[in-house]
Amino acid sequence: EAQVTQNPRYLITVTGKKLTVTCSQNMNHEYMSWYRQDPGLGLRQIYYSMNVEVTDKGDVPEGYKVSRKEKRNFPLILESPSPNQTSLYFCASSLWGQGPRISPLHFGNGTRLTVT
Amino acid sequence: KNEVEQSPQNLTAQEGEFITINCSYSVGISALHWLQQHPGGGIVSLFMLSSGKKKHGRLIATINIQEKHSSLHITASHPRDSAVYICALTGNQFYFGTGTSLTVIP
Repeated sequence: EAQVTQNPRYLITVTGKKLTVTCSQNMNHEYMSWYRQDPGLGLRQIYYSMNVEVTDKGDVPEGYKVSRKEKRNFPLILESPSPNQTSLYFCASSLWGQGPRISPLHFGNGTRLTVT
Repeated sequence: KNEVEQSPQNLTAQEGEFITINCSYSVGISALHWLQQHPGGGIVSLFMLSSGKKKHGRLIATINIQEKHSSLHITASHPRDSAVYICALTGNQFYFGTGTSLTVIP
């Protein structure tokens, strides 16, 4: 089954304790991205990747890191989480070629992160 | 920057009503997506369109490329349609509207 798998679904942590949220897709998609969703603000892009070893900042990259060592995986790393990073996070993937290709966006089930 | 504007932000309807959610955009696109997010749930893709009209059950999506406008219609609305509906664009990157929260009352 084609899917984007995101883990964990829920995560409660304390300020400063490094954490990683994993994202994996089995559709051989070039494009992967991370979003955070906050009430009234919609989906905001944190980082995106057009292909292996290619990553770019989105609208709200501060406090986050990503890596794309393999095509299927795109982990989101919070080196020193702070309470303002409490949010609902989504990973998504899509086809991408020389430019955008018309292809549906596939989302993971989300990770609800609470930083105390 | 507001590449995508959705209206209304919130919408309450009685069961059975015809519902329209609008999306206007200001960038060049190759496709427009309508997404659905149920409370506490994930995000699923309802439609992807680059021209004309698409229909799936009681849902209809239209797009006017010249006017840079799309609409999502729900006919004979039902409480299970209660969700947030998000307009998204495939341009030189992905752009998202802030969503329309729909509540359908029995």
